[in-house]
Formats: sequence, structure tokens, C-alpha cells
Amino acid sequence: DADVTQTPRNRITKTGKRIMLECSQTKGHDRMYWYRQDPGLGLRLIYYSFDVKDINKGEISDGYSVSRQAQAKFSLSLESAIPNQTALYFCATGSALTTGELFFGEGSRLTVL
Amino acid sequence: DAKTTQPNSMESNEEEPVHLPCNHSTISGTDYIHWYRQLPSQGPEYVIHGLTSNVNNRMASLAIAEDRKSSTLILHRATLRDAAVYYCILRGNAGNMLTFGGGTRLMVKP
Repeated sequence: DADVTQTPRNRITKTGKRIMLECSQTKGHDRMYWYRQDPGLGLRLIYYSFDVKDINKGEISDGYSVSRQAQAKFSLSLESAIPNQTALYFCATGSALTTGELFFGEGSRLTVL
Repeated sequence: DAKTTQPNSMESNEEEPVHLPCNHSTISGTDYIHWYRQLPSQGPEYVIHGLTSNVNNRMASLAIAEDRKSSTLILHRATLRDAAVYYCILRGNAGNMLTFGGGTRLMVKP
């Protein structure tokens, strides 16, 4: 089983719908991150969390919200999806006890029509 | 945040060494240099990182210039499975946060 699991892996939805992308990890890491990747571009940070009670905005948080339900779970929500949120979304985990290596999930491809 | 500059793409022949350059002229004294790669249809994976000294691991070597304004990721013998986008990233002290640029797309020819 993967250390960082994202669900769903693929989702097609319509403008205005609420969407939740879920991430769970078995690495015991305290830090979790959500990134977005657009075609041909690098990843951009949406939100990050250093522990269950800590949530921080990243570079492109507008239109997104997150919830850290437990140390192992970090979900990303789009309250009212719009077409320019069509992208590949990656969850990542890391530990304050290491020198900064992040572990990424396999991605969730979201298409908003 | 300090930025990095990488060539958009590079080509290599299979089983030959590959040197992937990265410029980071505004690096601060506490920034670590990280390299990640992203294989097709996968999430990024950690390759190597360093601060001042050259580093080796099972995947690659990292050569860091004495002034730390540039670095080079070295793949000693490229294989077809090494075809990927390679990202050079500077990471500060706090938070493990990584800021990804466009990376270098490495193509490996048989």
C-alpha cells in the first residue's frame, strides 16, 4: 500500500459543485501539504498544516479550504468549483524531525466543466 | 523566496552520465538545495539534497559550487526510467515547504 493515498484519483464535476479531495498517510508525519499542478508547470502550494491544530495558507489558497481531521488525514475542499480549478492536485507529507524530504501521493486529477 | 533557474530540457543517451545544472544566485546561507523528480503520471519524488558539501546517494550525486550560487545533479548512468522532469528547489529552515519552478525535462535516448 502507498504511504500517501489520495482519493479520488480522477473526478469530473460541474461548475458550482462542492468537491472534496482526501489524503491519508501512514508515515506518521506531522506535516501535510496540498499542491496544485497545471499542465507543463511546476507545483504551487495551496495549504499546509504542521499539526492537527495548525492550518496555513499557501501561495494560491483562494477558492479552497482544508480540514486536518487527524494527524494522518488532510482534506482539500472546493466549495464551488470553477473551470480554472481544473488541475492535478498532489498531497504531500513531511516530518519536522527530518531534513525536509517530502513524500507525495500519486495525485488527484480534477476536471471542472 | 530565493529562486532557481534551470534549462527547460536536456537530452542524454542511455548509460551515459547526465549533468543537470541549476543556478541559485540569491541563495541565503540557511537554504538547503533539494532535488526532486517527477516521472510521467506520478507525484514528485525526492532525489537528493545538500547544504554546502557534495552529497552522494544511491540515486544521484549533488555537486554544490563553493559560493553555493549553483549546483549540479549528476546521474552517473542514465537509464530510460530516468526520463522525468527534475526540479531544483531551495528550502529554508521553516516548514519543509518547497517552491517548485518549471524544472528540466530530461529525455533519455536508447
